[in-house]
Amino acid sequence: DQQVKQNSPSLSVQEGRISILNCDYTNSMFDYFLWYKKYPAEGPTFLISISSIKDKNEDGRFTVFLNKSAKHLSLHIVPSQPGDSAVYFCAGLYGNKLVFGAGTILRVKS
Amino acid sequence: DTGVSQDPRHKITKRGQNVTFRCDPISEHNRLYWYRQTLGQGPEFLTYFQNEAQLEKSRLLSDRFSAERPKGSFSTLEIQRTEQGDSAMYLCASSLAGLGEQYFGPGTRLTVT
Repeated sequence: DQQVKQNSPSLSVQEGRISILNCDYTNSMFDYFLWYKKYPAEGPTFLISISSIKDKNEDGRFTVFLNKSAKHLSLHIVPSQPGDSAVYFCAGLYGNKLVFGAGTILRVKS
Repeated sequence: DTGVSQDPRHKITKRGQNVTFRCDPISEHNRLYWYRQTLGQGPEFLTYFQNEAQLEKSRLLSDRFSAERPKGSFSTLEIQRTEQGDSAMYLCASSLAGLGEQYFGPGTRLTVT
């Protein structure tokens, strides 16, 4: 069963505009959520996280929003840059293990 | 660079052979995790250690898989009698106990022919 879903396989955005990546989850027991970025032939790189008791966390150009009632989180990147082009994974922390979505490919066009 | 390192980065083996991968975590991290990623999917949890103790194993980890972390520092993941379905990227991550963020290495890509 897929506990974390990223329903958009890909997203294309113009440089300087906002990128919004979405993630839905089904497991109410997740107590922490994380976003990772992955370039080809590299491991995932941690970007930003949010505790389940918060609804927003911001770090520079990256903001994560959590809507617990909807079991939905989103990552906003403003402004988007060509170097942001990568695969983005959301993950929920359940106990000590991360449960990942399938990822969304972000392409930022210059 | 004191990030997570993995060796080898690539491994091609024939079906039925045994392979072993190594992971060196961030030095002050006491937790170490193994994940597996196949094409088009996110990483899937395999197992984790706190210091030298293996505390959780996924049902994905069949009897042909074994992981060790003998001195609480580096870890090895061995796959015996490899099958084509074992072809994947094997990722190692580490963290400090009590913190949610896990930091990943570059992965070992296994191809079983």
